[in-house]
Amino acid sequence: AQKVTQAQTEISVVEKEDVTLDCVYETRDTTYYLFWYKQPPSGELVFLIRRNSFDEQNEISGRYSWNFQKSTSSFNFTITASQVVDSAVYFCALSSNTGKLIFGQGTTLQVKP
Amino acid sequence: EAQVTQNPRYLITVTGKKLTVTCSQNMNHEYMSWYRQDPGLGLRQIYYSMNVEVTDKGDVPEGYKVSRKEKRNFPLILESPSPNQTSLYFCASKARGVYGYTFGSGTRLTVV
Repeated sequence: AQKVTQAQTEISVVEKEDVTLDCVYETRDTTYYLFWYKQPPSGELVFLIRRNSFDEQNEISGRYSWNFQKSTSSFNFTITASQVVDSAVYFCALSSNTGKLIFGQGTTLQVKP
Repeated sequence: EAQVTQNPRYLITVTGKKLTVTCSQNMNHEYMSWYRQDPGLGLRQIYYSMNVEVTDKGDVPEGYKVSRKEKRNFPLILESPSPNQTSLYFCASKARGVYGYTFGSGTRLTVV
């Protein structure tokens, strides 16, 4: 069975702190994709990153970085120097060749000024 | 602009009154899907469609119907809504062979 687990339900940090959101996944497929989405208070889902199962290279985009480790089935997301605008719900998701996108429970991040 | 359009964005209705949430995409995508989002549960798939006239149940299909008569449209029908269907609903689409979905803006449904 495929599953995505985000063990952190809520995280609260003070602005400028670094914060890491954890994501652990389960799948028997050899080809799959992992995603992170951001859901701001307005409710829409904002795509952040997609990573395929054959590419374990870490990625950095501005203050955002992602650490993909197949050995531990993890795809963690780090925000460096957090800002109030980063406050949102963040979802990790898994997709395989069935086409279905499976989401984790989400992590609510609150960044306080 | 390539997009998935859901309507309405907000809806308050009463128990038992049939309703339809529309979803339309302009990208000629084969796959379309409906998700509901509930606190602590993430997004769960309700129904999906791999092409015109091809639909199948997702993880939480009870109380919902869908149809796919045209490639661009994938309406979600609640024949007799109940309060436990109060949720945030998302429609999404993707092209065959592509692993990421494009999501609509969401429909916040309240059933009283």
